[in-house]
Amino acid sequence: DQQVKQNSPSLSVQEGRISILNCDYTNSMFDYFLWYKKYPAEGPTFLISISSIKDKNEDGRFTVFLNKSAKHLSLHIVPSQPGDSAVYFCAASPTFINNNDMRFGAGTRLTVKP
Amino acid sequence: DVKVTQSSRYLVKRTGEKVFLECVQDMDHENMFWYRQDPGLGLRLIYFSYDVKMKEKGDIPEGYSVSREKKERFSLILESASTNQTSMYLCASRAATEAFFGQGTRLTVV
Repeated sequence: DQQVKQNSPSLSVQEGRISILNCDYTNSMFDYFLWYKKYPAEGPTFLISISSIKDKNEDGRFTVFLNKSAKHLSLHIVPSQPGDSAVYFCAASPTFINNNDMRFGAGTRLTVKP
Repeated sequence: DVKVTQSSRYLVKRTGEKVFLECVQDMDHENMFWYRQDPGLGLRLIYFSYDVKMKEKGDIPEGYSVSREKKERFSLILESASTNQTSMYLCASRAATEAFFGQGTRLTVV
């Protein structure tokens, strides 16, 4: 049973518009959330994270929103650029000592059209 | 720069072989992870380790084992490779916040 779910396998947006990628989680012990970007034949690279004590974190064109009551987070990319085309993974983690594992969603393939 | 290095980019092994995938990190991170990535399934956690000689099963540990004799090295072992273990394998290491990934090993079992 997947604890982190990304229900949209793909998303296509026009260059310059907003991309919104969504993620849901089921485990209430998760309190730290991350987004990764992955190109084919490479390892995922870290984009942005958010702790459960916040509901928003911004880094340049990337903003992550967290709704703890709904167990939902989203990644906004504004404006979207063709170089953003990749697979985006959402991850979640508890922050116990000795239990710092991370669970990932299935990924959303973002295509940004010029 | 944090570096996580996986010993091979591509591997082809025969069914029934014992396979070792090696991962080394240079940041003195306590936590290390092995995932496999398959289309439509995302990254699934096989095993993780939060300290030397400590290991915890992830979501899909069957058919795999791990070894962590030194802090910087985390090995994934396929005891008897099968064709359904053909996949992209990703190693990661982490302190308290973000994890850093290796470049991945594309394993094909024939």
